[in-house]
Formats: sequence, C-alpha cells, structure tokens
Amino acid sequence: DIQMTQSPSSLPASLGDRVTITCRASQDIGNYLRWFQQKPGKSPRLMIYGATNLANGVPSRFSGSRSGSDYSLTINSLESEDMAIYYCLQHNEYPYTFGAGTKLELK
Amino acid sequence: QVQLQQSGAELAKPGSSVKISCKASGYTFTSYYISWIKQTTGQGLEYIGYINTGSGGTNYNEKFKGKATLTVDKSSSTAFMQLSSLTPDDSAVYYCARGVVPFDYWGQGVMVTVSS
Repeated sequence: DIQMTQSPSSLPASLGDRVTITCRASQDIGNYLRWFQQKPGKSPRLMIYGATNLANGVPSRFSGSRSGSDYSLTINSLESEDMAIYYCLQHNEYPYTFGAGTKLELK
Repeated sequence: QVQLQQSGAELAKPGSSVKISCKASGYTFTSYYISWIKQTTGQGLEYIGYINTGSGGTNYNEKFKGKATLTVDKSSSTAFMQLSSLTPDDSAVYYCARGVVPFDYWGQGVMVTVSS
C-alpha cells in the first residue's frame, strides 16, 4: 500500500498566521491527492482535490500545492473556524490511503 | 440537497455481526458509487471499499475482506455494510461517502462499540 507520511502531527498557530501541512507519498501518485478537514464530532469535509483545486465553498485562503512527492495544504491568515484536524488522501492506487492527520490548534 | 443518512450507534458483543445503513437522498442514487471508511483514534482513517450502486459490484481493501460485506438496495437508495466476527479492534466510527473517490458528501458516521 502507498504510505502517506503527514507532518506535523500537531500544529499550534495564532489567528492570522500562515500555516502549511505536508504529506509525502511513498510512491508516485500524480495529482491524485485530496485534503479533508474534520472538526470534532463531524464528518470530514473535502477541501482540495487534484492536489491544487479548491472544492466548492472552500474559502480562498486555503490552497494546495505539489513539489515532487510532497503535497502541501496552506492556510493564509488563519481564522478560528479553521481549527480542526486535516487529512490527506491518495487515490492513485487502490487501496486508497490517508495521512495520519494534523491537528491545527490555537497557540 | 444531497444527504447520506446513516443508522444509529451499535453496541455489539465479540463474535457477533452488525449491519449499518446509509440512505441517500437528493441525487440519483445509481449515478455514484458508495464508499465506506473506518475511523479510529489509533489507526486514523482507513478505506474499506466501495460498491457500485447500479450493479452491486464491490471492491474491498484486502485488509477488510472477510470482515466487511457491502450491499445495496436500489429501491430504497440505501447502501449497507455488514461487519462480521466482531472483535474490539472493530470498534470505530464508520462512514459512508459518495463516490469511489469524490467524497464530496459523507454520512454522519456510525459508532460501533464491541464489548462483552
């Protein structure tokens, strides 16, 4: 199975900060990478698809990028509603696999 | 609006089975596959497999073969997942999601607790 190594596992940040979360794929996945946001007690929400495309209704302060086998989710000007756990998902090869998650919390 | 409504929490004994449901509304049920995902604190999110809602064809993550059985009832726009031979390791929240990959819509999740 493809391993998705996500870092950091925890990210303390302040409101207004710019933060970046990264997933590294153990083998080539092309742009078959999605990012999800999950708040306590809620289902995951699709944020980014195709590594760089914003899903419907997602604020423009979110963005996705790729550098080789590293995929990043960046949030510009952090807002309180962004505090959540973020997961990446690769869907290039079955079984699809998720990163372990990054908990974004207020410093 | 698109909704995936899952059944309620389950408390089951080791060795037993549970069957959870995922009722779709707000779109043409057979136009999208349904996927199932397991979430635990220790293992995070794991992809269980998906079902073709039109044909009933399935594709399982090897890890969940023999554990999960996916079925569908087109007449009620409902997908089902049966978990068998339950152990404490099966305690988790189980989600259904629309599509093999899109995952643009998710159910609210079902907590399954396996305990004697």
